[in-house]
Amino acid sequence: SAVISQKPSRDICQRGTSLTIQCQVDSQVTMMFWYRQQPGQSLTLIATANQGSEATYESGFVIDKFPISRPNLTFSTLTVSNMSPEDSSIYLCSVVVGSPTDTQYFGPGTRLTVL
Amino acid sequence: AQTVTQSQPEMSVQEAETVTLSCTYDTSESNYYLFWYKQPPSRQMILVIRQEAYKQQNATENRFSVNFQKAAKSFSLKISDSQLGDTAMYFCAFIPTGTASKLTFGTGTRLQVTL
Repeated sequence: SAVISQKPSRDICQRGTSLTIQCQVDSQVTMMFWYRQQPGQSLTLIATANQGSEATYESGFVIDKFPISRPNLTFSTLTVSNMSPEDSSIYLCSVVVGSPTDTQYFGPGTRLTVL
Repeated sequence: AQTVTQSQPEMSVQEAETVTLSCTYDTSESNYYLFWYKQPPSRQMILVIRQEAYKQQNATENRFSVNFQKAAKSFSLKISDSQLGDTAMYFCAFIPTGTASKLTFGTGTRLQVTL
């Protein structure tokens, strides 16, 4: 398994601003992902964070809105840009330690509220 | 495309009793992995149990066990001797082998354990 931390744990932001969420893992991991969980909903994959290259985004998510960095094997950031109230969600990072179909482990999440 | 269906939005069980959460999935893949994750009010996603489709034996983890019926594409979770700490959202998830770890989640079942 892996120990995953996210910063901040929660934030309240104004419309039109941006927030960067950090995900730190205590060991090198194979893959890192970012998910969004809207209130009362299931998890939706935003993108796969690729080390040293551009992230791979899922349908409905674009780099301009959700830029992602992954400078090394233990750290990634997700930025939520030009926020609107519809971006109010929990954002979670997850990691895979071994092969691509191994268990994904999740961070504690960042609760974002946009006013 | 794969889909995961959890037909029970909410369930309630008394402490020390047994409860079964349902999950069905749809896929054309022959080999894959199935998971149950738990998300308590603290929002940390925690792996409960994992099943590999090529294994006929049902996975068990202490009080948690699954009934995996591959032909019926069913993957139910049984919680025995329910405890107050089992109160959480439970998500069923699926991933086929040979892909880039894209988990597909169900919509979740909210389980309330009562005294």
